[in-house]
Amino acid sequence: DADVTQTPRNRITKTGKRIMLECSQTKGHDRMYWYRQDPGLGLRLIYYSFDVKDINKGEISDGYSVSRQAQAKFSLSLESAIPNQTALYFCATSDFHRDSETQYFGPGTRLLVL
Amino acid sequence: GNSVTQMEGPVTLSEEAFLTINCTYTATGYPSLFWYVQYPGEGLQLLLKATKADDKGSNKGFEATYRKETTSFHLEKGSVQVSDSAVYFCALSEPPGGTSYGKLTFGQGTILTVHP
Repeated sequence: DADVTQTPRNRITKTGKRIMLECSQTKGHDRMYWYRQDPGLGLRLIYYSFDVKDINKGEISDGYSVSRQAQAKFSLSLESAIPNQTALYFCATSDFHRDSETQYFGPGTRLLVL
Repeated sequence: GNSVTQMEGPVTLSEEAFLTINCTYTATGYPSLFWYVQYPGEGLQLLLKATKADDKGSNKGFEATYRKETTSFHLEKGSVQVSDSAVYFCALSEPPGGTSYGKLTFGQGTILTVHP
């Protein structure tokens, strides 16, 4: 079984809808991250969480919110989806106590906003 | 702020050709440097890393040397295979001691296609 899972893997939604992308991990890592990937722009950090009570904005947090429901779960919400949020979204984890610099990625969620 | 710049892609090579993907960075302090690889339909996975100047990271025949004087971390492989076709990302990590230690900044990615 994959250590970092994301659901759904693909999602089509309409402008103005609220949607949630979920990430779960079985690695026991304390840190979790949400990125979006756009062609030619690499990965950009949306939000990150260093533990359950610590959530921080990344470079492109506008229009997004997150929830760290447990150490193993980190959800990303689009409050009112817009077409320029069409992208590939990745969740990642890392372990501060063993190797905080190496991140482990989920398979991604491909989101299309019409 | 920190930034990573990768060579423009895509890169198309024949099998057994030599590969170089350039990566330069701008950062305060002494970040760790990484190459991540993304195979089609998958998430990113760590390919190699280097944590201090002159360190060489290596894995699966790929190598990269941390050059502080030129702020570079170029990826090389002597003989590529079709299975190396993927997107390659250079990244740096915030250095230890700061509140953001462990955050990664990525380059834009370079698409590599290897033909038989």
